Amino acid sequence: RKEVEQDPGPFNVPEGATVAFNCTYSNSASQSFFWYRQDCRKEPKLLMSVYSSGNEDGRFTAQLNRASQYISLLIRDSKLSDSATYLCVVKGDTGRRALTFGSGTRLQVQP
Amino acid sequence: EPEVTQTPSHQVTQMGQEVILRCVPISNHLYFYWYRQILGQKVEFLVSFYNNEISEKSEIFDDQFSVERPDGSNFTLKIRSTKLEDSAMYFCASSDGVADEQYFGPGTRLTVT
Repeated sequence: RKEVEQDPGPFNVPEGATVAFNCTYSNSASQSFFWYRQDCRKEPKLLMSVYSSGNEDGRFTAQLNRASQYISLLIRDSKLSDSATYLCVVKGDTGRRALTFGSGTRLQVQP
Repeated sequence: EPEVTQTPSHQVTQMGQEVILRCVPISNHLYFYWYRQILGQKVEFLVSFYNNEISEKSEIFDDQFSVERPDGSNFTLKIRSTKLEDSAMYFCASSDGVADEQYFGPGTRLTVT
């Protein structure tokens, strides 16, 4: 089983749409969870950390379900500039700092 | 806003040659990392560095790789004898050691011919 699993997409959505991405992780001892965004041939950029209580940043909402080992990202009112690959990222056990990346979900927002 | 910088942006080298990739982490950060991304594949952890020593490394980080903090600002990755399969984007990242968030530099594209 892959450590961090994501649907590769692509998700093609019109501007203004709401889109949701899901991710599952295999290590139940994982401590921290993130969504990063990666544009073509660029570096991963931190979009948001994901907390057990769920968190929201503007049009973006992230949720974590530790029991199901499942993370989600919801994007409301999609903009053309949201087109990118969204990476689900997990940090392992306490004492380990390495991030484990999913393969990413590609989003294409169309006019 | 402080950011991680990396040089060069693109490095072309011949198989068997040594390369050094350079990074300047965010100035008040204490943990430094190297990751790589082979074209079309996911980002993979190589090594983390804290207090002038390696704190964690992956299976990819074998004897041909080494890291160093030669001065107070630079953090380097050396690949001793490059192979064709080392061709990838190499990202440096840093974190402050309090929060778990890591911030990535723009990467160095290494092409081994």
